Amino acid sequence: DADVTQTPRNRITKTGKRIMLECSQTKGHDRMYWYRQDPGLGLRLIYYSFDVKDINKGEISDGYSVSRQAQAKFSLSLESAIPNQTALYFCATSDVGGGRNNEQFFGPGTRLTVL
Amino acid sequence: AQSVTQLGSHVSVSEGALVLLRCNYSSSVPPYLFWYVQYPNQGLQLLLKYTTGATLVKGINGFEAEFKKSETSFHLTKPSAHMSDAAEYFCAVTSGTASKLTFGTGTRLQVTL
Repeated sequence: DADVTQTPRNRITKTGKRIMLECSQTKGHDRMYWYRQDPGLGLRLIYYSFDVKDINKGEISDGYSVSRQAQAKFSLSLESAIPNQTALYFCATSDVGGGRNNEQFFGPGTRLTVL
Repeated sequence: AQSVTQLGSHVSVSEGALVLLRCNYSSSVPPYLFWYVQYPNQGLQLLLKYTTGATLVKGINGFEAEFKKSETSFHLTKPSAHMSDAAEYFCAVTSGTASKLTFGTGTRLQVTL
């Protein structure tokens, strides 16, 4: 079984709809991240969480919110989806130990299309 | 602030040829550097990382990278390309103490017969 899972894998929605992307991990990591990937732009950080009570904005958090329901679960919500939020979304995790050299482990991604 | 520049959004090599993917970084503190690979319809997988110590880092699938502080570079190489190396490659650098990664824009590697 995959260590980092994301649901759904693909989603098509309409402008103005609320949508939630979910991420679960079995790695026992404290830190979790949400990124979006756009062609030619690489990956950009939306939100990150160091533990259940610690949520932080990334570089492109506008239009998004998150919830850390448990150590293993980190959800990303689009309150009112718009077409420029069409992208590939990745969840990632990392261990708290080791400082800045921690590897991040990525889920398979959710492809979101907003019509 | 940290930043990464990957030169060349697309690189095409023949099977058996040398692979060279370029990455330059900017950092106000000693950087930790990473190369990730993304195969079609998959997430990102770590190829290799530089933290401290030896500046020539070996990774999976025959890839290696050399950290050159004087050139602020961390180029990825592989002596002989294989068809299975076709993928998108991302260079990344950490930012501050939060283990946040700043990614480059990616280089898509095409391997031809």
